Amino acid sequence: EIVMTQSPATLSVSPGERATLSCRASQSISSNLAWYQQKPGQAPRLLIYGASTRATGIPARFSGSGSGTEFTLTISSLQSEDFAVYYCQQYNNWPQTFGQGTKVEIK
Amino acid sequence: QVQLVESGGGVVQSGRSLRLSCAASRFTFSSYGIHWVRQAPGKGLEWVAFISYDGSNKYYADSVKGRFTISRDNSKNTLYMQMNSLRGEDTAVYYCAKSASGYSSSWYDHWGQGTLVTVSS
Repeated sequence: EIVMTQSPATLSVSPGERATLSCRASQSISSNLAWYQQKPGQAPRLLIYGASTRATGIPARFSGSGSGTEFTLTISSLQSEDFAVYYCQQYNNWPQTFGQGTKVEIK
Repeated sequence: QVQLVESGGGVVQSGRSLRLSCAASRFTFSSYGIHWVRQAPGKGLEWVAFISYDGSNKYYADSVKGRFTISRDNSKNTLYMQMNSLRGEDTAVYYCAKSASGYSSSWYDHWGQGTLVTVSS
């Protein structure tokens, strides 16, 4: 099973600042990585797939990068609606696995 | 807009069974694989099971293999999960999530709102 490790667990950021979230895979997953955003009481929402492709309707301030084992989600200028928990997910191998999540909170 | 609506959750005693359903609409259900993903209270996401567009291919997490069975009825646009021998650690919100692919491993482009399963001792 591929283990996905996200860091940091919590990120404190001021509105308007940049946020950088990391995700590491225990073995190479090529670019078969997605990012999801989850707000309290809501289902997750797809942000990024293929490591760097924004899903439909996702603002350009969200960007993804990386391949192999190291991946990054960047939010260029945090808006109030961006404070949430973010999960990475690999779909290169079965079983699919998620990282434990990074909570982005208001500083 | 794609719609996925889960139902069937509730409180059940340890060792008993429960069947979840996920009603799909506003997309061609028979063309896409579907996943179940769960989230224990206050915890992260855990993939549970996948079924391909035609039901011919199924995968399970080790934690549920042999106890849970995923199935679908394309004539009713509905996904199911039969959960047997339930344990306390199965307590979670269960989401159905539409795969971006019909057959192979892929990301989830739409999610339902989830249904809560609580297993009591």
